[in-house]
Amino acid sequence: KNEVEQSPQNLTAQEGEFITINCSYSVGISALHWLQQHPGGGIVSLFMLSSGKKKHGRLIATINIQEKHSSLHITASHPRDSAVYICAVPEGGADGLTFGKGTHLIIQP
Amino acid sequence: NAGVTQTPKFQVLKTGQSMTLQCAQDMNHNSMYWYRQDPGMGLRLIYYSASEGTTDKGEVPNGYNVSRLNKREFSLRLESAAPSQTSVYFCASSETTSDRSLTDTQYFGPGTRLTVL
Repeated sequence: KNEVEQSPQNLTAQEGEFITINCSYSVGISALHWLQQHPGGGIVSLFMLSSGKKKHGRLIATINIQEKHSSLHITASHPRDSAVYICAVPEGGADGLTFGKGTHLIIQP
Repeated sequence: NAGVTQTPKFQVLKTGQSMTLQCAQDMNHNSMYWYRQDPGMGLRLIYYSASEGTTDKGEVPNGYNVSRLNKREFSLRLESAAPSQTSVYFCASSETTSDRSLTDTQYFGPGTRLTVL
């Protein structure tokens, strides 16, 4: 079973700061997912990436397959970015995902 | 499109009672999943269905049964609820590649908050 570790567990920052959330995993994978869980509980998929870097608005995700590590960056952070960010990797091919415990991010005005 | 819908949103049960959580998706996805989320644990896979008519156990299947009624619907049943099953339950769906080599983007329902007394 793939072990997925995220850091930090909790992060509080000021509006405008550059945010980095890290994810490492133990077993080689075909792709990694980043998800966002809103304060109300809803879960939204942000990225799925298998190599290099992807960008969507102020969010950037990178992955290093050799080092089994991925990062999620948020530029010019805003209070509306406050959420739990979760990384996940496929478990046994297409049979569901194994999730990290999440990073609880709070952006203060 | 409604995406993935779940019913009910909230439920309180007494120990030993049974209930079924309903999930439906309108995206014509082959794969559907049931997860539970507990504080400090992250999401964990209960059961999944790679296609209509097939189901398989995930990480924490004990105490649960599932039915893939058709391509749209995937239900989760608790036959005899226990306090350890107090959790938030999420259904998800995805379009999986035919050789099952890659899990595509997963779309989540809004969740069901279940309390077992």
